[in-house]
Amino acid sequence: GDSVTQTEGLVTVTEGLPVKLNCTYQTTYLTIAFFWYVQYLNEAPQVLLRSSTDNKRTEHQGFHATLHKSSSSFHLQKSSAQLSDSALYYCALSVNTGANTGKLTFGHGTILRVHP
Amino acid sequence: GGIITQTPKFLIGQEGQKLTLKCQQNFNHDTMYWYRQDSGKGLRLIYYSITENDLQKGDLSEGYDASREKKSSFSLTVTSAQKNEMAVFLCASSTPPSNTGQLYFGEGSKLTVL
Repeated sequence: GDSVTQTEGLVTVTEGLPVKLNCTYQTTYLTIAFFWYVQYLNEAPQVLLRSSTDNKRTEHQGFHATLHKSSSSFHLQKSSAQLSDSALYYCALSVNTGANTGKLTFGHGTILRVHP
Repeated sequence: GGIITQTPKFLIGQEGQKLTLKCQQNFNHDTMYWYRQDSGKGLRLIYYSITENDLQKGDLSEGYDASREKKSSFSLTVTSAQKNEMAVFLCASSTPPSNTGQLYFGEGSKLTVL
């Protein structure tokens, strides 16, 4: 089946420094899209980035990610972390299972903690 | 915009009890999902439904039942609560893959079993 592997556990970074959360995947489907979801404390997960185009950089809220099908990766990066970026981040793979119905597979999540 | 509403937000049950969680969406999305969220294990799919009265098992369906009586609502039943179980259940709905395939989540229902 499909699988998503992302940076395990907790990532701690100092405010103003760059941050990178890794995400790699395995799938046998051809029609696929990738997401990064962010979940702030006591809130619902919400989409941060989405991409389905190989080698194209996607940006939102200062974060960026590039889908690289050659290495099966969709890493999340930010050049300067902010305190407000502290949250739980999920990488997710979406495949079209037929009849235009999607199914998402999530990684285990990475907690990002930004400290002053 | 739309919203996903889950009820109840907090549920306390007894071991062996049957417990039901409800979810309503006003996005008019066809597909709805129930995920279980556990620390360190990510979001695991329990059931999903691609249309009214449809049910599809996810990776974690054992111990759960689901029901999609109408397009806007999707219920999840824990058939026999396990002692000391604690988990957060997230309901979601999605646009079709031909659009973005993006999931929209509710805020979650937290289950505690005494």
